[in-house]
Amino acid sequence: DGGITQSPKYLFRKEGQNVTLSCEQNLNHDAMYWYRQDPGQGLRLIYYSQIVNDFQKGDIAEGYSVSREKKESFPLTVTSAQKNPTAFYLCASSWGGGSEAFFGQGTRLTVV
Amino acid sequence: GESVGLHLPTLSVQEGDNSIINCAYSNSASDYFIWYKQESGKGPQFIIDIRSNMDKRQGQRVTVLLNKTVKHLSLQIAATQPGDSAVYFCAEALNAGNNRKLIWGLGTSLAVNP
Repeated sequence: DGGITQSPKYLFRKEGQNVTLSCEQNLNHDAMYWYRQDPGQGLRLIYYSQIVNDFQKGDIAEGYSVSREKKESFPLTVTSAQKNPTAFYLCASSWGGGSEAFFGQGTRLTVV
Repeated sequence: GESVGLHLPTLSVQEGDNSIINCAYSNSASDYFIWYKQESGKGPQFIIDIRSNMDKRQGQRVTVLLNKTVKHLSLQIAATQPGDSAVYFCAEALNAGNNRKLIWGLGTSLAVNP
């Protein structure tokens, strides 16, 4: 089945540690995105990539990093510089910018 | 530091009634609009879309209306069911320099009362 897969579904991190969230898609989409969602709030764009080996900062990129070495993969690292990392993280992909985005099921990150 | 987002508005309806969820979009140059449904703990799912050369589009139990004059988008759900309880997001697509991007609305939480 074609789709976009995020793992893990739940992730716990100690303060001061970096953690990497996985996002894989087999839809052959060029564009991929990472969003953060806090309880009862909307989507905020962290990073996006329109093509392999290229990515741009979104609205809240501080404390996060990404890579796009393969078309199908767009991992997000939450670094220790992110002061409030507890949130629901959503990855999405699309054929191009501004077209219908397909979302993964999300990763809920909790700092303990 | 990061800005704190606004909390979602909530719409409460009785099962079987029609629901209307509204969205004001920001840019008159936007030419494509999408509605998504997000159930609790899951990723958003596509419901219906509409291009700016249309003012109405119908799907199964859903209708999207576009009023470009006042930059307003609405999603109508007929005969609302408990399974329709979710957060609904609108998104607008526009060209930004050499890039084309989706801009997301705040979202509306729909609660269906049995």
